[in-house]
Amino acid sequence: AQRVTQPEKLLSVFKGAPVELKCNYSYSGSPELFWYVQYSRQRLQLLLRHISRESIKGFTADLNKGETSFHLKKPFAQEEDSAMYYCALSNNAGNMLTFGGGTRLMVKP
Amino acid sequence: KAGVTQTPRYLIKTRGQQVTLSCSPISGHRSVSWYQQTPGQGLQFLFEYFSETQRNKGNFPGRFSGRQFSNSRSEMNVSTLELGDSALYLCASSSRGDYTGELFFGEGSRLTVL
Repeated sequence: AQRVTQPEKLLSVFKGAPVELKCNYSYSGSPELFWYVQYSRQRLQLLLRHISRESIKGFTADLNKGETSFHLKKPFAQEEDSAMYYCALSNNAGNMLTFGGGTRLMVKP
Repeated sequence: KAGVTQTPRYLIKTRGQQVTLSCSPISGHRSVSWYQQTPGQGLQFLFEYFSETQRNKGNFPGRFSGRQFSNSRSEMNVSTLELGDSALYLCASSSRGDYTGELFFGEGSRLTVL
């Protein structure tokens, strides 16, 4: 069975501080990992996916198969980064995602 | 392009009743998936339809069902409602069918069961 764990329900940092949102997964095959974000009063939307290996809004995430992790990082947090972040896993059998419980990021001024 | 549209946005039902929720995907998207979001269980996959065929199904009882029409619009139905079915039901569409593509989510239908 596949599982995604986000150990922190809430992460509070000051503007300009580094941010790391943790995500660990359990899956026996070759997973595809995603980060989705939901800003206040907006829809859930894709932030980034591991196969793209790109930086979106300053965020990066590296898939570590040895540690089964896909942590989301940003060197300098901005107030507009405050949102709910969800890590998700796909087994590539169509558009079926297993989501983690989510981490609420609060960036204080 | 218009985004994913879900109707109704809010509804209240009583135990034992049934409910039908509707989802119109982004034009051209052939995959529609449904998720249930609750404070306790988070986001849980219900099912996915692609070209009118159910391709994946989550671990929910048979009271939860869905279908997709030839225009890719989808409906989900929950029969014999229970209090625990109170949730936000999210629909998502994708243009990809061969592998996991970007999901575009609707605003959801919030169901309250009394």
